[in-house]
Amino acid sequence: GAVVSQHPSRVICKSGTSVKIECRSLDFQATTMFWYRQFPKQSLMLMATSNEGSKATYEQGVEKDKFLINHASLTLSTLTVTSAHPEDSSFYICSALESGTGNQPQHFGDGTRLSIL
Amino acid sequence: SQKIEQNSEALNIQEGKTATLTCNYTNYSPAYLQWYRQDPGRGPVFLLLIRENEKEKRKERLKVTFDTTLKQSLFHITASQPADSATYLCAPYNFNKFYFGSGTKLNVKP
Repeated sequence: GAVVSQHPSRVICKSGTSVKIECRSLDFQATTMFWYRQFPKQSLMLMATSNEGSKATYEQGVEKDKFLINHASLTLSTLTVTSAHPEDSSFYICSALESGTGNQPQHFGDGTRLSIL
Repeated sequence: SQKIEQNSEALNIQEGKTATLTCNYTNYSPAYLQWYRQDPGRGPVFLLLIRENEKEKRKERLKVTFDTTLKQSLFHITASQPADSATYLCAPYNFNKFYFGSGTKLNVKP
């Protein structure tokens, strides 16, 4: 149980392209999903918290107009990197927090490797 | 601001020994703390969760302790195996967010 599917796993595209990444919780409902970015040999950096039916909360320094997040249902959140440039190349990972009371673990997708040429 | 410290140096141990990984945090009081395993190019995999009112949690060969006075969590793998080689991340939870440590790479040699 508790499977999170992230798609696509890898994207290579030209500078200026917008890229959409999907994050789905397959067997549970997730009121809250998180989006992270990870550079090589570094930790996961939280970019934003996505709550179903409301606007995402972005961490300091993350441009909300650059990284558009939509959480339209309890099982799907999307991250769109708009007008991507080489400096946006990174490993993007989503996670989903099981809905419910009490302390819950978050479950991660397998990440999306984004390479902007 | 919150700070989470894990030993950035790789931990090299012999198969069969116990691996102990450390997670220290400052400037906040997490309601609970999670440990994850991450393999190269993959997303983290959830291992254990320990709450602030729990001292210790076990799952098979894994054991986690949580000392809120020292602001520290220890993660133990007993009878380690080469398949346990990976990067281990701690993630304290507070204010509806998780913040991750940089992770410690564990190498278990046969």
